[in-house]
Amino acid sequence: TQLLKQSPQFLSIQEGENLTVYCNSSSVFSSLQWYRQEPGEGPVLLVTVVTGGEVKKLKRLTFQFGDARKDSSLHITAAQTGDTGLYLCAGASGSARQLTFGSGTQLTVLP
Amino acid sequence: DTAVSQTPKYLVTQMGNDKSIKCEQNLGHDTMYWYKQDSKKFLKIMFSYNNKELIINETVPNRFSPKSPDKAHLNLHINSLELGDSAVYFCASSPHLAGGLIGTGELFFGEGSRLTVL
Repeated sequence: TQLLKQSPQFLSIQEGENLTVYCNSSSVFSSLQWYRQEPGEGPVLLVTVVTGGEVKKLKRLTFQFGDARKDSSLHITAAQTGDTGLYLCAGASGSARQLTFGSGTQLTVLP
Repeated sequence: DTAVSQTPKYLVTQMGNDKSIKCEQNLGHDTMYWYKQDSKKFLKIMFSYNNKELIINETVPNRFSPKSPDKAHLNLHINSLELGDSAVYFCASSPHLAGGLIGTGELFFGEGSRLTVL
């Protein structure tokens, strides 16, 4: 079983602060995705990273895929209340023919 | 237009009953999934179908039976409901099979169906 562990599990910060969420595994993934889920809704894809060492930016969000394609990080600069939500990483593996989801990070940004 | 729609959004029922959740996608995707999200928000795959063919059937009790009449629909029927079945069930679709040779299998989720078994 491929496990993806996210840390921290819960994060509560003030608006304007920076934060980093980590997604770690002992398995290699062909690609890794980040989703955000808001209460009462399904997860929504934010980004997909494919190449080891790849960095992608989405406005104030910066995503990085580890060189060995086993881990990833999500950095948010100057967090806003609208960033509040559950952040999920998910790894794709050809051998498993499915996405494996991480344990999730619940982010709360306070005004 | 809703891309992935599932009904009902809320379902409250007694133990032992049988219930169904329906899912439809209008994205023209080949692959559809059912995921279960528990109270700790962990998302676990239950089934995946690719072009109406069952691809993944995780260790789910056989009280759960998926049915895909065509590649735009994937329904979930649950027999003899138990307390532990209470969860949010998400339907999702992707252009191609996640982890397959084509594409990276990004998922498009429905809004979820919250099942409460009393």
